[in-house]
Amino acid sequence: QVTLKESGPGILQPSQTLSLTCTFSGFSLSTYGMGVGWIRQPSGKGLEWLANIWWDDDKYYNPSLKNRLTISKDTSNNQAFLKITNVDTADTATYYCALTIAAISTLFDYWGQGVMVTVSS
Amino acid sequence: DVVLTQTPSILSATIGQSVSISCRSSQSLLDSDGNTYLYWFLQRPGQSPQRLIYLVSNLGSGVPNRFSGSGSGTDFTLKISGVEAEDLGVYYCMQATHAPWTFGGGTKLELK
Repeated sequence: QVTLKESGPGILQPSQTLSLTCTFSGFSLSTYGMGVGWIRQPSGKGLEWLANIWWDDDKYYNPSLKNRLTISKDTSNNQAFLKITNVDTADTATYYCALTIAAISTLFDYWGQGVMVTVSS
Repeated sequence: DVVLTQTPSILSATIGQSVSISCRSSQSLLDSDGNTYLYWFLQRPGQSPQRLIYLVSNLGSGVPNRFSGSGSGTDFTLKISGVEAEDLGVYYCMQATHAPWTFGGGTKLELK
């Protein structure tokens, strides 16, 4: 059974770095075709794709966040990470991690429950 | 960036009614590898999104066959043949042919 769970700081101040962790079970991110993505959703608004990392450590980012994103993984501990530097109030959102099991063909087969992040001074 | 325009933004339906949601892309989503990376997701109230359809028309595992997807190029449709109560929520299309991957603005399906 595949499960994913996001964790984060809950609240942080403008200009700080947001560090998010996706802890998963039921699969290995070293398996061919596997990938984990991060997607966020401000309250009451739509979805925005942020970044994706694949089994071979290939990484893709949304350039709209202007090089503020870093995605990484720890295969041995079944975790994926996302860092967003220099946050501001516009980064307040629920952040989801999502698993892809068959490369880009299927995309985001499983989702975590999401973690709410508030940026406030 | 590719803009996905979903219509309608709100869809009111009765149980058992068949409905369609349109997703129109600002660019063709046909990739040079011959695939069209267009997906549909449903986000029920208070829940995470779940993927319904991948590559335009392929039903995800466990997704009821009352859902179907169609289209090509820039115009795509999600059809629900006989709405059930559990289908209520917000539907999103998403493309991954062009970077950055983008979502449509969403279509809220509610009970009439």
